[in-house]
Amino acid sequence: SQELEQSPQSLIVQEGKNLTINCTSSKTLYGLYWYKQKYGEGLIFLMMLQKGGEEKSHEKITAKLDEKKQQSSLHITASQPSHAGIYLCGAFPSGNTPLVFGKGTRLSVIA
Amino acid sequence: NAGVMQNPRHLVRRRGQEARLRCSPVKGHSHVYWYRQLPEEGLKFMVYLQKENIIDESGMPKERFSAEFPKEGPSILRIQQVVRGDSAAYFCASSISRPSNTGELFFGEGSRLTVL
Repeated sequence: SQELEQSPQSLIVQEGKNLTINCTSSKTLYGLYWYKQKYGEGLIFLMMLQKGGEEKSHEKITAKLDEKKQQSSLHITASQPSHAGIYLCGAFPSGNTPLVFGKGTRLSVIA
Repeated sequence: NAGVMQNPRHLVRRRGQEARLRCSPVKGHSHVYWYRQLPEEGLKFMVYLQKENIIDESGMPKERFSAEFPKEGPSILRIQQVVRGDSAAYFCASSISRPSNTGELFFGEGSRLTVL
């Protein structure tokens, strides 16, 4: 079965600093999703990547899927307190099976 | 446009009681997924349903758990004879198409079950 490993598990950064979160898959990725979860709340869709080498940006968050389609990185530029939360990557093990998720990266941004 | 609606948001049950969690998908979505999130753990897939059919229940515990998505009305996740280990946040998601079509999954706010 497909496993998604996220690193780091938790991260504390000072406001204004850049950071990167990684998601590594044990198998080829058919589609890679990034979600954000605020503590005690539901998941907010950030972006979805499909093609190797694809890169997408939304506000100060950029995600990339590597060429071999087994790893994705999420980069936040000039972090803000509003970026705090749990970042989850999700992927389809195969074409028709539902999303599986990594354990998440817990981000705290301190002033 | 309402998103995925889950209720109750919080539910407290004593051991041995039944818990029923409801999920109304985004209007027009016929694919529903249930996930469980245990403290300090990631989201674990439980079951995938499409109107009146269970498509994939590979993540459902073999006993006490059941799910349905009737032709009319919300999807329901039922947990019978709850135990403390069932305490978790249960999330419902919906999509307009099958997973292979890589459409976005819309998530609800979750239902937090506490078993005393």
